Amino acid sequence: AQSVTQPDIHITVSEGASLELRCNYSYGATPYLFWYVQSPGQGLQLLLKYFSGDTLVQGIKGFEAEFKRSQSSFNLRKPSVHWSDAAEYFCAVTGYSTLTFGKGTMLLVSP
Amino acid sequence: NAGVTQTPKFQVLKTGQSMTLQCAQDMNHNSMYWYRQDPGMGLRLIYYSASEGTTDKGEVPNGYNVSRLNKREFSLRLESAAPSQTSVYFCASSEAWWGGQMNTEAFFGQGTRLTVV
Repeated sequence: AQSVTQPDIHITVSEGASLELRCNYSYGATPYLFWYVQSPGQGLQLLLKYFSGDTLVQGIKGFEAEFKRSQSSFNLRKPSVHWSDAAEYFCAVTGYSTLTFGKGTMLLVSP
Repeated sequence: NAGVTQTPKFQVLKTGQSMTLQCAQDMNHNSMYWYRQDPGMGLRLIYYSASEGTTDKGEVPNGYNVSRLNKREFSLRLESAAPSQTSVYFCASSEAWWGGQMNTEAFFGQGTRLTVV
């Protein structure tokens, strides 16, 4: 069965600084990978997805992620964080019939 | 475009009471899902319906039942609520895929916050 590990429960970043959120996955074949964002009290919004092709994918709100098969990773990055990026971020991988999520990383943005 | 709509948004139940969470999608998706979200646990799959007429258990199905009423609607029922079922419940839908690995993104509703006292 597939699994996702997000090693950081919380991350604090200063506004304007760069961001990298880590995601490692386990899946026996070529994975399909996603990053979702959840603002407080809200549902999940898709930031970006990787199905195939270019290993660097661009998403909404200035986010990007890089798929590295050799490291089983799909890390999320943003060059300059805004206060509105404070939220919880979830990495996910698809398997047979389902979508499996990591436990999430809470991003705090300091002034 | 409403997407995925869940009702109710909030609910408080007493232990032993029953209730049904409703979910409807207007994207003509074949597949629908119910997840629960608990602090520090991420989202865990309760049940899913790959297509109209089929339902399957996910990671945490105990204490729940589901009904795929038609292509648009997928309900989650708690027959006898327990405090351990206090959670935020999310419904999601996605386009169909045919066999093997799911290769489409899922769209989520806004969630139902359920408290069982």
